[in-house]
Formats: sequence, structure tokens, C-alpha cells
Amino acid sequence: NAGVTQTPKFQVLKTGQSMTLQCAQDMNHNSMYWYRQDPGMGLRLIYYSASEGTTDKGEVPNGYNVSRLNKREFSLRLESAAPSQTSVYFCASRDSSGSRYEQYFGPGTRLTVT
Amino acid sequence: AQSVSQHNHHVILSEAASLELGCNYSYGGTVNLFWYVQYPGQHLQLLLKYFSGDPLVKGIKGFEAEFIKSKFSFNLRKPSVQWSDTAEYFCAVTIMDTGRRALTFGSGTRLQVQP
Repeated sequence: NAGVTQTPKFQVLKTGQSMTLQCAQDMNHNSMYWYRQDPGMGLRLIYYSASEGTTDKGEVPNGYNVSRLNKREFSLRLESAAPSQTSVYFCASRDSSGSRYEQYFGPGTRLTVT
Repeated sequence: AQSVSQHNHHVILSEAASLELGCNYSYGGTVNLFWYVQYPGQHLQLLLKYFSGDPLVKGIKGFEAEFIKSKFSFNLRKPSVQWSDTAEYFCAVTIMDTGRRALTFGSGTRLQVQP
């Protein structure tokens, strides 16, 4: 049981390049989330997916797109990277079938855009 | 929109000192409350959570937190810190009146424990 996994761990992009961050969970959770973490700002929600086939914007969605490929996988795409997207990105999942609302986080992807 | 405030940005303590980190949130409805810890170079781990019932909750590694509804607060405490508690601590809130159940995080408190 690996929990939440993310790839890659590190990435350096040039301005204007595109890339997809991958996230997968093996806990059979319905809900998945993408956050970004910036110094002094905590984590902010980019997008979330309440179930397979559904996605919705969070607090800071501009410049990102997401795909909930199946129940396990939730990817985050940067179509044209900008230096403002330099951040650490965390994926999380949550079991929405019961009353437990804690989220489980992946190890993060550290992205630098030059 | 709801917000979470952590007033202590950087705390430096000596080993065996007591710890209290403040957390306040701005939402009048039903919330779930969490404290997460991020050790250097690692991902976030859940320290403790409050859903309902006893407002004093105990978590891992000797941490506890008290929910005071009238003060919209959920402060984290530990009677005696250790060097291994050096980490960043995040308070987070989930609003229970919406379906999103996403976490709103505070800006974090960096705790440095000196041996």
C-alpha cells in the first residue's frame, strides 16, 4: 500500500514549456486534490475532483488544467509554464464515503520555472 | 471566504520547553480542524484532527489541541518539545457545509528546537 504517489519529484522548466504532474492513489479514495505550497502562504488549492469524471476549480486555478483519468489517477498540466508557477505541488486524496475527512498527501513535486 | 490564521511564523525553543502554536479560523458554521506537520524534506503528515465531541484532542508524538468554538481557535500544544519536533506546522480547516471538503491552510509555523 503506497498511499499517494507523485512523479516527478523534481522538475526544471523554461518559461513557455509544458508538462504534466502525475498523481496516483491506491486507497480507493473518491476525492483527489492538487495544492501548491509557497513560502509564507501555506498550501492553496488549485483543483479538486470529487469523483471520477468530475473536476472543479480551487483557489488558484489559472494556468493549470487537470484530468481525472480514473479513480486512481489525477494529473495536473501546465500548458505554458511561467516563473510564478515555481512552487512545490502536492497531491492529496480523501475517502468521501464515510465521515472521515482527513486528506492523505503525496511526497510533492518541486517545480522550478526559469 | 474562510481563512485560517497562524500568528506565530517562526518559533525557536530549547528542548524540554513547552509549546503552544496558535490557530484561528474565520467561519461560523460547522468545521473539521486539523494540524499537519511537515518535517524537512518530507510531505505533510497528519498530527491530529477534530471532528466532534471532546474539544481536547490528542494526536501523535505527544501533541494535543483544544478546540474553543467561541474563540474560533484550535491551538496546538506539547508539554515538552524535542529536537526531533523541528518542522513546519500547518493548521487547516474543512468547511462541512459544502461538498468540496477541501482544506484551507494557515501559512504555517516553522518550529526550531535547539538541543
